[in-house]
Amino acid sequence: AQKVTQAQTEISVVEKEDVTLDCVYETRDTTYYLFWYKQPPSGELVFLIRRNSFDEQNEISGRYSWNFQKSTSSFNFTITASQVVDSAVYFCALYNFNKFYFGSGTKLNVKP
Amino acid sequence: DGGITQSPKYLFRKEGQNVTLSCEQNLNHDAMYWYRQDPGQGLRLIYYSQIVNDFQKGDIAEGYSVSREKKESFPLTVTSAQKNPTAFYLCASRVREEAGANVLTFGAGSRLTVL
Repeated sequence: AQKVTQAQTEISVVEKEDVTLDCVYETRDTTYYLFWYKQPPSGELVFLIRRNSFDEQNEISGRYSWNFQKSTSSFNFTITASQVVDSAVYFCALYNFNKFYFGSGTKLNVKP
Repeated sequence: DGGITQSPKYLFRKEGQNVTLSCEQNLNHDAMYWYRQDPGQGLRLIYYSQIVNDFQKGDIAEGYSVSREKKESFPLTVTSAQKNPTAFYLCASRVREEAGANVLTFGAGSRLTVL
């Protein structure tokens, strides 16, 4: 069975704080992809990153970084020096065999 | 600009009525998806279609129907059989490849409220 768990329902931070959003996944397959999406208040999900199961290199893009660890089945997302514009719901997702499995999302509130 | 257009953005329906949500894409994507989003439950797959004239049920297809007569269009009908239709509905699409996943592109969503 495929499953994605985002245990943090809601997180509140003050601007400029660092924040990490956790994602734990379950799959028995060796080939899969992991994603992070951002859903701002407007509603449309925006793609942030994709990782395949054979690439455990961490990635940094500006203030965003992702830590993929197969040993713990985790794909965590860190925002450094958070900004008010980062306020949104963030979804982690797993893909294989033409289907996507989404976590329940983490709502991030960044206060000025 | 290429993208996915969902309409209407807001829709109100009386109990017992069917309603159709429109999803149109000009990205030349092969596969299209419908998701339902409820607070605290993330996205749940209703139906998906990988090619024209073919579609498969997702995890919560009961009370919904779809058609895929054109590559660009994938309308979703919420029927009166759907017990709790009030939700936010998201349409998505992607290029279909034999190897590897591709990124889902999402529309802005349609919010359905049953009165």
